[in-house]
Amino acid sequence: SQQGEEDPQALSIQEGENATMNCSYKTSINNLQWYRQNSGRGLVHLILIRSNEREKHSGRLRVTLDTSKKSSSLLITASRAADTASYFCATDPSTRNQFYFGTGTSLTVIP
Amino acid sequence: GAVVSQHPSWVICKSGTSVKIECRSLDFQATTMFWYRQFPKQSLMLMATSNEGSKATYEQGVEKDKFLINHASLTLSTLTVTSAHPEDSSFYICSARDPGLAGNLLRFNEQYFGPGTRLTVT
Repeated sequence: SQQGEEDPQALSIQEGENATMNCSYKTSINNLQWYRQNSGRGLVHLILIRSNEREKHSGRLRVTLDTSKKSSSLLITASRAADTASYFCATDPSTRNQFYFGTGTSLTVIP
Repeated sequence: GAVVSQHPSWVICKSGTSVKIECRSLDFQATTMFWYRQFPKQSLMLMATSNEGSKATYEQGVEKDKFLINHASLTLSTLTVTSAHPEDSSFYICSARDPGLAGNLLRFNEQYFGPGTRLTVT
């Protein structure tokens, strides 16, 4: 399977704390993206990091990419209750014009 | 940003009937669209890649005769679940890339997702 894996599967934190979730993938990639999905809804694009980048920031989001380890992490700082959602990484393999999603992390931020 | 719509947003059908789901790119022309399926509390699984004017490419394990894909125009792809069964109940999501972003190195690989269609087969 091309699908990547994320950990943890579920994460519960207090509002104001930071949340870190990790993604591992299997093949070489052009880029890696993170998406957010509220329960039963569509996906919202959060951030894209290219294979030649190591770190990227967007507001309270910080993404790192280690291509040697085939892994990425998403850090959400100063979490809010509204951040409660599922987060997925998606890889864009070098050899195929398609996306493969990780298994996802379910984040719950407790007010 | 680019907008992708899906219709219907939810549908209930009886076992044995067929259901058509539409995916439209509203403000750009999409030569390629993707169809995903998501079971409850699971990730999105790519089902097929829909190419305008040609046959869809299906992922391993996805029955092409059961999940018919038609991409007859640059703004519309349809997924028809034929002879639906309860195990086909799922959340179906489409996505599209905007080829107009090909010159934007920061964005050209972004996919725009539809809001999804919840299918329940009784």
